Amino acid sequence: DTGVSQDPRHKITKRGQNVTFRCDPISEHNRLYWYRQTLGQGPEFLTYFQNEAQLEKSRLLSDRFSAERPKGSFSTLEIQRTEQGDSAMYLCALGTGNQPQHFGDGTRLSIL
Amino acid sequence: GNSVTQMEGPVTLSEEAFLTINCTYTATGYPSLFWYVQYPGEGLQLLLKATKADDKGSNKGFEATYRKETTSFHLEKGSVQVSDSAVYFCALSEGAAGNKLTFGGGTRVLVKP
Repeated sequence: DTGVSQDPRHKITKRGQNVTFRCDPISEHNRLYWYRQTLGQGPEFLTYFQNEAQLEKSRLLSDRFSAERPKGSFSTLEIQRTEQGDSAMYLCALGTGNQPQHFGDGTRLSIL
Repeated sequence: GNSVTQMEGPVTLSEEAFLTINCTYTATGYPSLFWYVQYPGEGLQLLLKATKADDKGSNKGFEATYRKETTSFHLEKGSVQVSDSAVYFCALSEGAAGNKLTFGGGTRVLVKP
């Protein structure tokens, strides 16, 4: 049990469609991070929240990407007008202070 | 900006062999260093960590020492098992940067019986 639930586990969609992923912390953590991992690479930081406030967004996060954490618990990541290059594993991680982050199993996005 | 460089794989070993995976980093401040492991079909798991210079992290027979003078955090295990076959990621975080993680590209390790 990683303490982080991500849904769905796998999403297949056509290019140009919108997709939304959800991350549900099983326990309370004030920080929630999103990362993207492409095949054969290490995860890359996308954005993070401290409670409900989005404090930083990577330049990897284009205008087509938006993330929310409305009540400081679960978070959603939406990609509009998906492109082939969006195919990746999207990882959610939880952290508190400077403690190590715990990762969910991720949502694998495949763009047809 | 921060960066992490680790040796490319795959690394193929026989059971009971010695494993070393090199990792070097560039950081603007005083980062914490981590090794994460991804077993086949599973998510990322923390393997070990070190938060300051000369700290040694250890877990499951793996060790890594935070070397500030060489900006390195090499992972070692004296006798690997087939169950150690996985992808290993070196990473750093800085408190001033919200503790977001910067990862290396990963090293795939395959241990053969």
